[in-house]
Amino acid sequence: GENVEQHPSTLSVQEGDSAVIKCTYSDSASNYFPWYKQELGKRPQLIIDIRSNVGEKKDQRIAVTLNKTAKHFSLHITETQPEDSAVYFCASRSGGSYIPTFGRGTSLIVHP
Amino acid sequence: GAGVSQTPSNKVTEKGKYVELRCDPISGHTALYWYRQSLGQGPEFLIYFQGTGAADDSGLPNDRFFAVRPEGSVSTLKIQRTERGDSAVYLCASSLNVGAGDTQYFGPGTRLTVL
Repeated sequence: GENVEQHPSTLSVQEGDSAVIKCTYSDSASNYFPWYKQELGKRPQLIIDIRSNVGEKKDQRIAVTLNKTAKHFSLHITETQPEDSAVYFCASRSGGSYIPTFGRGTSLIVHP
Repeated sequence: GAGVSQTPSNKVTEKGKYVELRCDPISGHTALYWYRQSLGQGPEFLIYFQGTGAADDSGLPNDRFFAVRPEGSVSTLKIQRTERGDSAVYLCASSLNVGAGDTQYFGPGTRLTVL
């Protein structure tokens, strides 16, 4: 089955800096890659996703890049704000399965 | 509109007891998923439904776990003879359909504690 590795497990940045979280996947047939933000005690919420037919997608301060050859994708957050502090999960879903496999999460801390 | 809701928000039970966790998906969503999230981990797939039928239950850890969705809307996750290792947050998610790229919307979860 699919294996998703996520790094780093913890990321601490100063307000205004950029943050990058990376994930690798094992199944070359995977074609959908969502990112979720989970604040403490809250539900995971989709913040951005990318399909395998594009290499990059942006939405204001967040962007996701995908390298299918290397089987990795990354979340980029620019101009970080304290409210960006949360746990971020990547996930990968194969075209042959409707079940996403999640990474273990990255705890992002943005210091004011 | 209303999102995915789950009840109860917290459940404390004793080892060996039976528990039921309920999920109300977004109206009109045909697909419903159950996940389990342990501390410091990502959601771990348990089972998903397309309509009333369990399309994939490969994530259920053993036969103490069972889920139903009799009318294709509300789902109940049932755990028999609970063990301390069952303690986790149980998340439910729904999507309009089942297909690559269909966004899953999560509920707030039920925190299960088995003493």
